[in-house]
Amino acid sequence: DAGITQSPRYKITETGRQVTLMCHQTWSHSYMFWYRQDLGHGLRLIYYSAAADITDKGEVPDGYVVSRSKTENFPLTLESATRSQTSVYFCASSEGRLQETQYFGPGTRLLVL
Amino acid sequence: DQQVKQNSPSLSVQEGRISILNCDYTNSMFDYFLWYKKYPAEGPTFLISISSIKDKNEDGRFTVFLNKSAKHLSLHIVPSQPGDSAVYFCAASLMDSSYKLIFGSGTRLLVRP
Repeated sequence: DAGITQSPRYKITETGRQVTLMCHQTWSHSYMFWYRQDLGHGLRLIYYSAAADITDKGEVPDGYVVSRSKTENFPLTLESATRSQTSVYFCASSEGRLQETQYFGPGTRLLVL
Repeated sequence: DQQVKQNSPSLSVQEGRISILNCDYTNSMFDYFLWYKKYPAEGPTFLISISSIKDKNEDGRFTVFLNKSAKHLSLHIVPSQPGDSAVYFCAASLMDSSYKLIFGSGTRLLVRP
């Protein structure tokens, strides 16, 4: 399907486990982003990528790792999940030009027990 | 310290009336502002934007007003429809890094039939 997809949509894991959230876009957008949404905080940027093999930290990067070996994929890994990482995670993409709209995926709801 | 604030967590209006959603920001360097709309279990979708060189932008039933001196923007929906019931996020960015959005915490709008 065209657009931006995330998998899994729901995930339950335990403290200390490694978890990888997947994001795939079909537009060949240069920029991709990972946000987390928490009550009272809105969406906060975790990491972003300007192109394949180029990534940079956002507002709340601690505890997360990203990679971008291909333009269309931008996985987010929690190396050792903590309860504070229970959240809804959104991936987004854009062409990256100035004032370019970001397009969001449907989100992954993660629960860390 | 949140740079973009939406101080009303929720708003309820009657169908056909005007909905006014407010957003305040603290960083006077922000020069591009956006509103996103989010339905449950979906990702945010872009609604309308405004750059700092304007004080108003209209798109159908949606109008965004920007008051730079007060560091305040508002989204007006006229007339409101039940399908407008959603969470609305305002976001801000800097022109030279407009791909990095700072989001407010959101306002849940309920439009009553």
